[in-house]
Amino acid sequence: DTAVSQTPKYLVTQMGNDKSIKCEQNLGHDTMYWYKQDSKKFLKIMFSYNNKELIINETVPNRFSPKSPDKAHLNLHINSLELGDSAVYFCASSQDLVSLNIQYFGAGTRLSVL
Amino acid sequence: QKEVEQNSGPLSVPEGAIASLNCTYSDRGSQSFFWYRQYSGKSPELIMSIYSNGDKEDGRFTAQLNKASQYVSLLIRDSQPSDSATYLCAVNRPNTGNQFYFGTGTSLTVIP
Repeated sequence: DTAVSQTPKYLVTQMGNDKSIKCEQNLGHDTMYWYKQDSKKFLKIMFSYNNKELIINETVPNRFSPKSPDKAHLNLHINSLELGDSAVYFCASSQDLVSLNIQYFGAGTRLSVL
Repeated sequence: QKEVEQNSGPLSVPEGAIASLNCTYSDRGSQSFFWYRQYSGKSPELIMSIYSNGDKEDGRFTAQLNKASQYVSLLIRDSQPSDSATYLCAVNRPNTGNQFYFGTGTSLTVIP
């Protein structure tokens, strides 16, 4: 059983479209994250949720909207996609907000905006 | 100044040698330090975590932490071609709810 699973694995779409990426974790964790990894491999936090509550909201365009229906799911919706949104998006989870906790990553969603 | 800095490499070592990967961080309040390995096209996978000064060993991997110098390193002994990957250093941001800063990664190639 995959601990942190994301769908889809690949997403190819046109500029201006709206798309969603889904993430689910079966680890019983309270905290989930979205990261963006650019072409230079830099991994940057976008959002984090703890028990469905938004904790971290880094400076990302408001075209990106996370939604957490329950603590096992954190989805990412992107409106009006732009070329610069092309990247790999990783979902991650940790036990809770305690700083010692390891973050476990999903397999990633490779988004290509044409 | 970046929060976490790593030499991007590429670092090449012969099989069987020791690979040494280094990372410095800027926030003195950081408490947790992690090394992740990322194969091309795959997700980051935890290799080591370290929380107190000194060395921590796990198999062929040793993490070293020096909080006074704000420095964390990863040594890989008896390097294998399967160790060829990008190694990401992650440091927690204090008082941010377990938010991590990541370095840009060091690309390691182990030559058979």
